[in-house]
Amino acid sequence: VHLLESGGGLVQPGGSLRLSCAASGFTFSTYAMNWVRQAPGKGLEWVSTIRGSGDNTYYADSVKGRFTISRDNSKNTLYVQMNSLRVEDTAVYYCARSIGSGHYHFDYWGQGTLVTVSS
Amino acid sequence: AIQMTQSPSSLSASVGDRVTITCRASQDIRNDLGWYQQKPGKAPKFLIYAASSLQSGVPSRFSGSGSGTDFTLTISSLQPDDFATYYCLQDYNYPFTFGPGTKVDIK
Repeated sequence: VHLLESGGGLVQPGGSLRLSCAASGFTFSTYAMNWVRQAPGKGLEWVSTIRGSGDNTYYADSVKGRFTISRDNSKNTLYVQMNSLRVEDTAVYYCARSIGSGHYHFDYWGQGTLVTVSS
Repeated sequence: AIQMTQSPSSLSASVGDRVTITCRASQDIRNDLGWYQQKPGKAPKFLIYAASSLQSGVPSRFSGSGSGTDFTLTISSLQPDDFATYYCLQDYNYPFTFGPGTKVDIK
């Protein structure tokens, strides 16, 4: 299993960014996928989950209405579109696979991509 | 949203010590709790799910227990590789919530 995030960078407050997570080594479409973030020096924060089919999505209150999670099962890729970015969205963003079988914990993680929101 | 607390926030221990970390949920979450280990600059590592089920490949010195609102992670004999920050996470309902973390460092 391998997860590789990309798309991070520096963006101004109010701007947008799309992160991608390329997955390999497993049947992508059968697993829920997630975004988890970590602000510098802070703890972990769950951001969003999307079920395998893509039909069901869930968001933290802190990003609801601004972030949109999606997936392309034909490309084995997970995305998050981040709009109206705030300084407090600055963090390392990890994509992570859910373990399945009725549980949603995160068994495999990418290396993370840094998003910096600053003027 | 369910609030997760952890205690202690940090602890100092020696190699070979038995270490216990506590996680408490603000409401009954059955056994829908997991534990993660994170080292500086690295992605978290998944240790335990369903409160007490050890993830494949995780050393048996790690164990978890609890249900309802109170949970514990125990390291039976601390090893040099175990110095890290530990987080609990509830997957009982959305939004999923992590505890604030417990940093385990060398005495």
